[in-house]
Amino acid sequence: DQQVKQNSPSLSVQEGRISILNCDYTNSMFDYFLWYKKYPAEGPTFLISISSIKDKNEDGRFTVFLNKSAKHLSLHIVPSQPGDSAVYFCAAKNNQGGSEKLVFGKGTKLTVNP
Amino acid sequence: GAVVSQHPSRVICKSGTSVKIECRSLDFQATTMFWYRQFPKQSLMLMATSNEGSKATYEQGVEKDKFLINHASLTLSTLTVTSAHPEDSSFYICSAPQKGPPNYGYTFGSGTRLTVV
Repeated sequence: DQQVKQNSPSLSVQEGRISILNCDYTNSMFDYFLWYKKYPAEGPTFLISISSIKDKNEDGRFTVFLNKSAKHLSLHIVPSQPGDSAVYFCAAKNNQGGSEKLVFGKGTKLTVNP
Repeated sequence: GAVVSQHPSRVICKSGTSVKIECRSLDFQATTMFWYRQFPKQSLMLMATSNEGSKATYEQGVEKDKFLINHASLTLSTLTVTSAHPEDSSFYICSAPQKGPPNYGYTFGSGTRLTVV
């Protein structure tokens, strides 16, 4: 049972345009959501996060939106740059029972074309 | 910031041999270490959680005797793949959590690409 879903395995955008990466989840107990960026043969690096009590968090070119009623979040990158090309993982944290485990989606490979 | 050093980055071994992967927290104490594996085009799947000074907790379906985890100190956790088979070939990544937002301190190692021939 995939609790965190990234239904688009890949996305291609032109440099300077907006990239929108989507993520859906099924577990209503998730209270914190994170986005990670991963290059091949490297570990993921933290990008941005959002608490379940908020609906938006912005950090420079990156903005994460959370729609709790729809159990949906999205990452917006604007303007997109070629260096943003990577695999983006959505992750969710379930605070139930004090667990620190993260549940990851399958990732979306973003390609930003010059 | 917090750094987790993972070694080796790449290893090729013969079937039946054992491989040890190390993860060290360089500037903080990691009482817990998460071990993940990632198959091509798949998500990061949690294998087990190691806790300093106690037994590791394995996720359902992960063989304890095959994936030996040791967390002997506050800065070192190791994963040993015993009697490796080609199907164990994968990308293994460790992650050490810390309390608090924005990242909850989930610092990842750089990963180990294991190829069993």
